[in-house]
Amino acid sequence: EIVLTQSPGTLSLSPGERATLSCRASQSVSSSYLAWYQQKPGQAPRLLIYGASSRATGIPDRFSGSGSGTDFTLTINRLEPEDFAVYYCQQYGRSPLYSFGQGTKLEIK
Amino acid sequence: EVQVVESGGGLVKPGGSLRLSCAASGFNFNYAWMTWVRQAPGKGLEWVGTIKSKGGGGTSHYAAPVEGRFTISRDDSRNTVYLQMNTLKTEDTAVYYCSKVRSDSCYSLECWGQGALVTVSS
Repeated sequence: EIVLTQSPGTLSLSPGERATLSCRASQSVSSSYLAWYQQKPGQAPRLLIYGASSRATGIPDRFSGSGSGTDFTLTINRLEPEDFAVYYCQQYGRSPLYSFGQGTKLEIK
Repeated sequence: EVQVVESGGGLVKPGGSLRLSCAASGFNFNYAWMTWVRQAPGKGLEWVGTIKSKGGGGTSHYAAPVEGRFTISRDDSRNTVYLQMNTLKTEDTAVYYCSKVRSDSCYSLECWGQGALVTVSS
């Protein structure tokens, strides 16, 4: 069973700074099958990044994804107030069919 | 506009059953894989199950905690996917989200509903 571990659990930053979020897989994951989601309180998750590095429709270019194999990164440049939320990575294809990381909470410092 | 809307949530006693519906619009439902994800109060996201399109085999796949208790089905004539939940446990209490799987080879979840709250309690 593949396990995704996100770090840090909580990240405290100020608007205008850069956020770097990590997602590590217990086994190699195809880059095509790695995605990132943003979730704000009381809202459904929203797809940010698919295929490890492609931005979903309508996602600002301050969001970028990178990585391969077992190590993936979500970078958010020039944090805006609306970016403070919980972020999840997700993989497809390895048992189980889908799995999510436990999430990283990005909070205002 | 691509949209999915869940319905059917509510309060149910342990051991009981409940069926959630997810009505889709704005895309060709016949070709879409659909996925259910849940989120227990204050917790992270947990995959529940996925149903492939008829053209993709129409098969359903489930997470271990729900295998044998939950069943996902689809009615392409109604653009609707269902989640039948039987033998419910208190740990099944969660918001259940329906989502559309991207139609490319990435399989990410590109459109989510607002969620349906299921509370399992005596």
